[in-house]
Amino acid sequence: DTGVSQNPRHKITKRGQNVTFRCDPISEHNRLYWYRQTLGQGPEFLTYFQNEAQLEKSRLLSDRFSAERPKGSFSTLEIQRTEQGDSAMYLCASSLFRSQVYNEQFFGPGTRLTVL
Amino acid sequence: SQQGEEDPQALSIQEGENATMNCSYKTSINNLQWYRQNSGRGLVHLILIRSNEREKHSGRLRVTLDTSKKSSSLLITASRAADTASYFCATGRLQNAGNMLTFGGGTRLMVKP
Repeated sequence: DTGVSQNPRHKITKRGQNVTFRCDPISEHNRLYWYRQTLGQGPEFLTYFQNEAQLEKSRLLSDRFSAERPKGSFSTLEIQRTEQGDSAMYLCASSLFRSQVYNEQFFGPGTRLTVL
Repeated sequence: SQQGEEDPQALSIQEGENATMNCSYKTSINNLQWYRQNSGRGLVHLILIRSNEREKHSGRLRVTLDTSKKSSSLLITASRAADTASYFCATGRLQNAGNMLTFGGGTRLMVKP
């Protein structure tokens, strides 16, 4: 499977615990994005990377959230001291950006987080 | 906050009929994309239309873009039960060179066999 993959697919945690999600993009894609989606809503942008550089962060991304893409390949999203409001589907997407041409983003299956 | 607004929020049709979904947005865009999402699953990219394009086709899909009205429409012709899903429009904003997508709330389409 050469698409975007995310692990784990489901995560249940207790309030106050830390969680980490992983995203493996399509191999030749240089851009990687994180979104969050709550039930019945469209996804909301969190942050994105071009190679290993984190270029933009949404105001939704509080200090408890941190994302990395250390070698410009896979990325991790960590949430510290989880709160019930963090319960959502966390989606990762990747795209190829070249010569100022913006191309479609391909999404992974998501990680569904439930905070008890 | 979500820039796009899809209309209608829900649509129920019979197999074989056409389905039309509309999307309105607020700011200048670089491109507009439509995605499909089956219940509890990830998003599947359907079609991308750039701000200098007015219409695009892909199989049974037809997308139009009117930048003067800040609106787009997605037409699915000869619908099938397998088209049942939520459909989202997403805009790439001009000032960010289309870096991040802003999604609408989606249209939930049900196609009855």
